[in-house]
Amino acid sequence: GENVEQHPSTLSVQEGDSAVIKCTYSDSASNYFPWYKQELGKRPQLIIDIRSNVGEKKDQRIAVTLNKTAKHFSLHITETQPEDSAVYFCAASMVGNTPLVFGKGTRLSVIA
Amino acid sequence: SAVISQKPSRDICQRGTSLTIQCQVDSQVTMMFWYRQQPGQSLTLIATANQGSEATYESGFVIDKFPISRPNLTFSTLTVSNMSPEDSSIYLCSVARAGSGNTIYFGEGSWLTVV
Repeated sequence: GENVEQHPSTLSVQEGDSAVIKCTYSDSASNYFPWYKQELGKRPQLIIDIRSNVGEKKDQRIAVTLNKTAKHFSLHITETQPEDSAVYFCAASMVGNTPLVFGKGTRLSVIA
Repeated sequence: SAVISQKPSRDICQRGTSLTIQCQVDSQVTMMFWYRQQPGQSLTLIATANQGSEATYESGFVIDKFPISRPNLTFSTLTVSNMSPEDSSIYLCSVARAGSGNTIYFGEGSWLTVV
């Protein structure tokens, strides 16, 4: 089955700097790669996703890149703000009625 | 986005008791997924709930401990049986919405503490 590895487990950046979180996956059949942000005491919230037919997707300060050959994808957050502090999870699955397999999460701290 | 209602949102449970979590979706979905998130951990899939058939459980999860019902295409329940402190977790149901490109959405979660 699918296995998703996520790095780093913790990340501290200065406000205004960029943050990058990387994930690798094992199943070449996976074609859907979402990222979730989880604030303390709340459910995971989808912040961006990418499908295998594109290599990059951007939404304001957040971008995701996908390298299907190498089976890895990354989350990029630019101009970080204190409210970006949270736990971020990457995940992978096949589009359709298949469940997500999650990475172990990255705790991002943005220091003002 | 999908509207997914989960009940209860929080509960404190006595060791040895059972609790049923309900998940209601605002439209019909083929499959519903139940996840567990232990404190400080990632999300782990418990089972996939199919309407009209038995749920499919992941390794490490068994029907006797986590019985699931799926009586129709908008509703599912997960029961956590004979609870122990190790069952203290967030339990989340999720669905894939075909109309949104199969984006997967989560309910608000049920925070269970077993004492």
